[in-house]
Amino acid sequence: EDQVTQSPEALRLQEGESSSLNCSYTVSGLRGLFWYRQDPGKGPEFLFTLYSAGEEKEKERLKATLTKKESFLHITAPKPEDSATYLCAVDTGRRALTFGSGTRLQVQP
Amino acid sequence: SQTIHQWPATLVQPVGSPLSLECTVEGTSNPNLYWYRQAAGRGLQLLFYSVGIGQISSEVPQNLSASRPQDRQFILSSKKLLLSDSGFYLCAWGKGRGLADGYTFGSGTRLTVV
Repeated sequence: EDQVTQSPEALRLQEGESSSLNCSYTVSGLRGLFWYRQDPGKGPEFLFTLYSAGEEKEKERLKATLTKKESFLHITAPKPEDSATYLCAVDTGRRALTFGSGTRLQVQP
Repeated sequence: SQTIHQWPATLVQPVGSPLSLECTVEGTSNPNLYWYRQAAGRGLQLLFYSVGIGQISSEVPQNLSASRPQDRQFILSSKKLLLSDSGFYLCAWGKGRGLADGYTFGSGTRLTVV
């Protein structure tokens, strides 16, 4: 069974304090790993797709990386508007995306 | 451009009452459609997915059902709600599995069963 584990569950940062979120996965045949941002009371919003180990994607203060067992979402010099829940999901081509439980990020001014 | 509509946004229903949540997609044809449920502080649990009209796959045995009467319409139903059905319900669409842009989600329905 595909498993996706995200850590930490919650993270509180000061504005400008860089950090990383972790997504570890156990799947048979990864076809893609996705990162989403979810604001309270809203649907998840797509951020990145990573396909193979060593791949990196960047968007503003966010950078996602992928290894054979995990993915990291690095947040550089975060701002309060980066506060949200970040979800990762894996695609193995079998049915639908399998999601982790998310990391709730709070960035304080 | 593609858009996805989901309603209602909020719903409070008594135990034992029926449920109908609707999701429609615009600007694409033959999408794969998905219903997920999210408990408070938890990840997304896949409930149903559909690759075409009348084709429904159920992932979790429960008192919910789904139907796809039209290509771009996906409905989540229940004949009798349970307290455990409370949660945040999300509809999503994707063009095949593993699409480069992942899934596009609706704005969600917050269901509270009382």
